[in-house]
Amino acid sequence: GAVVSQHPSRVICKSGTSVKIECRSLDFQATTMFWYRQFPKQSLMLMATSNEGSKATYEQGVEKDKFLINHASLTLSTLTVTSAHPEDSSFYICSARGGNGYTFGSGTRLTVV
Amino acid sequence: RKEVEQDPGPFNVPEGATVAFNCTYSNSASQSFFWYRQDCRKEPKLLMSVYSSGNEDGRFTAQLNRASQYISLLIRDSKLSDSATYLCVVTHQAGTALIFGKGTTLSVSS
Repeated sequence: GAVVSQHPSRVICKSGTSVKIECRSLDFQATTMFWYRQFPKQSLMLMATSNEGSKATYEQGVEKDKFLINHASLTLSTLTVTSAHPEDSSFYICSARGGNGYTFGSGTRLTVV
Repeated sequence: RKEVEQDPGPFNVPEGATVAFNCTYSNSASQSFFWYRQDCRKEPKLLMSVYSSGNEDGRFTAQLNRASQYISLLIRDSKLSDSATYLCVVTHQAGTALIFGKGTTLSVSS
């Protein structure tokens, strides 16, 4: 079946630094990638939608200059959290649209200290 | 008001119990409907799609009422392994982003 590999699974970084999260579709072409964020005991909230080769579309309230999304190929999309702060600590997860349905990465737990 | 609302939970039931989860969605243009399961600190996994005619998969039965904008999930003969958070999910159009409810936590005990 379709697999999306997401790395890193867990990262701790210092406040003010940047963190890059990668999602790779291993056996299918991900034409669209959705990025979500989930705070404890909350629902997965859509942050942005990216299509290969074009700029991402961000949801209301999500700062595009803070959360940089790149989808340069059909198998790789990245989310960079720039100048991270403790309030950015969350579970970030990608979901690829391509092939048969939606395939999720395993998620990245970001802790900013 | 959130677009997808679910029972707050948590539901604590003994093994063998039958439990029902409810969900309502606010956008009448929603096209597709799903139940996902999420284990602690893991990615959500598709449990089943939901159709207007209702559908069943083993111990799980899902129902959709488009007129009431209401979705349900029934779990019969609960197992310990059913303990998880159940997420009600909709999409507006085929291929667009999944929109998640907050989830309802189920704890099945022996």
